[in-house]
Amino acid sequence: RKEVEQDPGPFNVPEGATVAFNCTYSNSASQSFFWYRQDCRKEPKLLMSVYSSGNEDGRFTAQLNRASQYISLLIRDSKLSDSATYLCVVNTGNQFYFGTGTSLTVIP
Amino acid sequence: NAGVTQTPKFQVLKTGQSMTLQCAQDMNHEYMSWYRQDPGMGLRLIHYSVGAGITDQGEVPNGYNVSRSTTEDFPLRLLSAAPSQTSVYFCATLTGSGYNEQFFGPGTRLTVL
Repeated sequence: RKEVEQDPGPFNVPEGATVAFNCTYSNSASQSFFWYRQDCRKEPKLLMSVYSSGNEDGRFTAQLNRASQYISLLIRDSKLSDSATYLCVVNTGNQFYFGTGTSLTVIP
Repeated sequence: NAGVTQTPKFQVLKTGQSMTLQCAQDMNHEYMSWYRQDPGMGLRLIHYSVGAGITDQGEVPNGYNVSRSTTEDFPLRLLSAAPSQTSVYFCATLTGSGYNEQFFGPGTRLTVL
């Protein structure tokens, strides 16, 4: 079983739409959780960490449900510049496990 | 500050050749790691190091060696390249605990013929 599973999409949404990505992880001992963004042919960059209480950064909201081992990312009022692949990342011990990524294209 | 640098950016090898991918950082981060990224597979951890002189295996270590003689450098060696090692390789660094941000280099695109 994969450590982290994500719906690969693709998600094609119009500008201004709200879109949600989901991710599940298999190890209940996992300690920290992140969403990274990766643009085409570029390196991943941190979008936001995910905290148990949920957290928001502008148009982005991340949620963590430890009981269900489920992580989500909500993007409100989508912009063209949000088009990218979003990677769910889980830290367990000294290792980081990445989901396969969810592709988002925001259409004018 | 350059952050995390990787060389070369692109490389083509023949099966059986060996080579070293270079990774250097100027952020004084203790933790360094190597990932490979393949279509449909996401990033997978090859090897990591929590400090100079210490290395450990990740998910997919076979066919790769690493060493960490300094804080700044973490080279990845392919001993005898195989077509299955065709991939994009990313080096990443981290300071402090696993609750912190990883910083990635720009990647090396490797093709093994």
